[in-house]
Amino acid sequence: DQQVKQNSPSLSVQEGRISILNCDYTNSMFDYFLWYKKYPAEGPTFLISISSIKDKNEDGRFTVFLNKSAKHLSLHIVPSQPGDSAVYFCAASDSGTYKYIFGTGTRLKVLA
Amino acid sequence: EAGVTQFPSHSVIEKGQTVTLRCDPISGHDNLYWYRRVMGKEIKFLLHFVKESKQDESGMPNNRFLAERTGGTYSTLKVQPAELEDSGVYFCASSQGLYNEQFFGPGTRLTVL
Repeated sequence: DQQVKQNSPSLSVQEGRISILNCDYTNSMFDYFLWYKKYPAEGPTFLISISSIKDKNEDGRFTVFLNKSAKHLSLHIVPSQPGDSAVYFCAASDSGTYKYIFGTGTRLKVLA
Repeated sequence: EAGVTQFPSHSVIEKGQTVTLRCDPISGHDNLYWYRRVMGKEIKFLLHFVKESKQDESGMPNNRFLAERTGGTYSTLKVQPAELEDSGVYFCASSQGLYNEQFFGPGTRLTVL
């Protein structure tokens, strides 16, 4: 029973355009959400996070949006660059446990 | 500052054998986590140490898995005896505090034949 779902296994986007990666969750106790980026043969690298008290967090080209009523979050990358090509994992936690619950990942390919 | 390191990077063993994975967290990080990713699926939590104490081992699959963190520094994860379904990539992560993001190591790819 997956509590965090990334329904798109892959996404291709042209360089310079916007990449939108989506994530849905089922556990209403989750109050902290993160995006990690993973290159082949490397560990996941923290990208951006958002607390449930916010609905948007921005860091340079990366913005995460949280819709609590829909239990949905998304990561926007603008503009997309070829170096952004990687697998992106959505993760969630609740402040009672601190363990991260990950989705299955979305492979983003940015075409030059 | 050195990141999280894991040893070995790859391990190939036969069913029934024993394997020990090691993780060195970032210096000063009291929180250490083990995760596993099996065949392109989600990264699944295994357990969490605060210093040398196990805080949460709810993700450990069964009693063939034993994790230790003696002295609150590095950690080992032993699988004994290994089964085919234990194959996957084992990640270690560490964080300074409970509310800080977790930094991941490169992982150990375990293949059980």
